[in-house]
Amino acid sequence: DTGVSQDPRHKITKRGQNVTFRCDPISEHNRLYWYRQTLGQGPEFLTYFQNEAQLEKSRLLSDRFSAERPKGSFSTLEIQRTEQGDSAMYLCASSSEDGTPSYEQYFGPGTRLTVT
Amino acid sequence: GEDVEQSLFLSVREGDSSVINCTYTDSSSTYLYWYKQEPGAGLQLLTYIFSNMDMKQDQRLTVLLNKKDKHLSLRIADTQTGDSAIYFCAESPNSGNTPLVFGKGTRLSVIA
Repeated sequence: DTGVSQDPRHKITKRGQNVTFRCDPISEHNRLYWYRQTLGQGPEFLTYFQNEAQLEKSRLLSDRFSAERPKGSFSTLEIQRTEQGDSAMYLCASSSEDGTPSYEQYFGPGTRLTVT
Repeated sequence: GEDVEQSLFLSVREGDSSVINCTYTDSSSTYLYWYKQEPGAGLQLLTYIFSNMDMKQDQRLTVLLNKKDKHLSLRIADTQTGDSAIYFCAESPNSGNTPLVFGKGTRLSVIA
């Protein structure tokens, strides 16, 4: 069990560019969550998957954001036409439906996005 | 909608106990969690409590839950400088295994 990993750890991009982040969950976890955290705030939910199915999207997730989990393993989060307001830490978490009734979510180290 | 409130700052002396408080609004929350975040890092799960429990102890950590008042607290015994971090309270609405709702976090500073 290597934990949740995210790539890249840091991304600096110019306004208007597209960016894509990757998350690899804990291998046996079937649920995968994306959150966004801005300075001085707690994480805010963006979207989540059970296996390859996207179950819910937050109203925070504008049309410029898209997420996929094509084979029910890793996930990607793409932001098109980035804006300065997209600058934040993007956190991925995973959990299992099986065996742990407390449904703990384990977080990755995050991808810090800076839009200039 | 769901909302989680925490005080923003707490300062304690090394060796003292720290108590971080949290209030939540969703009475259907099944599990409540405490996470720790160090600078520039992701969130580390510290502990959780099920809504039918009043208290849970895990080494230096004690979680107290007052379900009637929707109040949760995290007590850290013998606080060390390595405990300096931001602590987040989170609720899992409905039956659990759902997106978490976080507070803004409490920044704990431990003075040596």
